[in-house]
Amino acid sequence: DIQMTQSPSSVSASVGDRVTITCRASQGINNYLVWFQQKPGKAPKSVIYGASSLQSGVPSKFSGSGSGTDFILTISSLQPEDCATYYCQQYKSYPLTFGGGTKVEIK
Amino acid sequence: EVQLVESGGGLVQPGGSLRLSCAASGFNFSDHYMDWVRQAPGKGLEWVGRIRKKDNSYTTEYAASVKGRFTISRDDSKNSLYLQMNSLKTEDTAVYYCARVVVSSGHHYFDCWGHGTLVTVSS
Repeated sequence: DIQMTQSPSSVSASVGDRVTITCRASQGINNYLVWFQQKPGKAPKSVIYGASSLQSGVPSKFSGSGSGTDFILTISSLQPEDCATYYCQQYKSYPLTFGGGTKVEIK
Repeated sequence: EVQLVESGGGLVQPGGSLRLSCAASGFNFSDHYMDWVRQAPGKGLEWVGRIRKKDNSYTTEYAASVKGRFTISRDDSKNSLYLQMNSLKTEDTAVYYCARVVVSSGHHYFDCWGHGTLVTVSS
């Protein structure tokens, strides 16, 4: 199975700050990676697919990069509505696997 | 509007069975692979399994943790997805989400999720 490791597990930043979350795959997954945002008590929402493609309707302050084993999700200017837990997930091979999540909070 | 609505969750004893349903609307259900994903209370996301569409012979994939105990099926005439869960264990306690899969240019990823249904396995 491909293991997905996210860091940090939590981040606290000020409104307007740039926030970056990293995700590392235990083996190469090309760009078969998606980032999800999950708010408390809600279903996850796809933010980025194909490692860097913005899901329809998602604001452009979200961006993704990377290929192979190392990936980054960036929020360019953190706003209160961005507070959530973010998960990466690989879909290169079965079983599909998720990272452990990164909780983003406002300082 | 694309909607996925899960139902069928509840309290069940260890060793028991439960069948979850996911009603789809707002899109052509038969055109999509569909998945189940679960989330134990306070924990992260865990993929459960997938069912492909008719063109792919409705083939399925499962996580090792549920293989042989869970069965995914679908009824395209009813726009519905199902998860039959047998021999339930306490570690199966979770919110179960159904998710629509987009298949495009070699990519297959979730683009829409239901609100989830809670399954509690406890004596």
